[in-house]
Amino acid sequence: RKEVEQDPGPFNVPEGATVAFNCTYSNSASQSFFWYRQDCRKEPKLLMSVYSSGNEDGRFTAQLNRASQYISLLIRDSKLSDSATYLCVVAPGGSYIPTFGRGTSLIVHP
Amino acid sequence: DVKVTQSSRYLVKRTGEKVFLECVQDMDHENMFWYRQDPGLGLRLIYFSYDVKMKEKGDIPEGYSVSREKKERFSLILESASTNQTSMYLCASSRPGQGAAGMNTEAFFGQGTRLTVV
Repeated sequence: RKEVEQDPGPFNVPEGATVAFNCTYSNSASQSFFWYRQDCRKEPKLLMSVYSSGNEDGRFTAQLNRASQYISLLIRDSKLSDSATYLCVVAPGGSYIPTFGRGTSLIVHP
Repeated sequence: DVKVTQSSRYLVKRTGEKVFLECVQDMDHENMFWYRQDPGLGLRLIYFSYDVKMKEKGDIPEGYSVSREKKERFSLILESASTNQTSMYLCASSRPGQGAAGMNTEAFFGQGTRLTVV
């Protein structure tokens, strides 16, 4: 199973900042892409799916670049409550198995 | 509201004990997964199952086995617990991939079981 790479951070940003994370994947057959959020001592929960050329949900924008094999997550106007670990998840077409990156830690401070 | 429930939040076991971790989902999902999560290593897949009585090894199956006798329940078994199996264990479930490309769907996680082996 191919790897999914993320910068572990931590990214330390002030409230209101814009922050972006990248995630690279090595399997060019990958078809499904997700960003999950995991709070400290909690389970991961889906933040966004990225199915085609990207999508936006409020302050969050996810983009996919198939040619360079990476996905990105952009968070605008960061809030204290955005502090968490963000996990990149990739799955090849037809595969039952999502592969998780190790996560990027975000700390938003006042 | 969808739910994946793990039987214990915290567990302490002795070296050599046989340990059962239970996971139940109420979403009628075909796929179920067991991961362990350790600092700096992320989530690593132990076993998964795509149907009743079906199981496949993940990346780190050594020292573990699984059982899926019913669709809603997926059990992880530590045959003889060792201290290096101290970890956070996460169960997840999902529906099969959709469409010709088998696009994967969201995985729902249980709250996790923090196992300490002493």
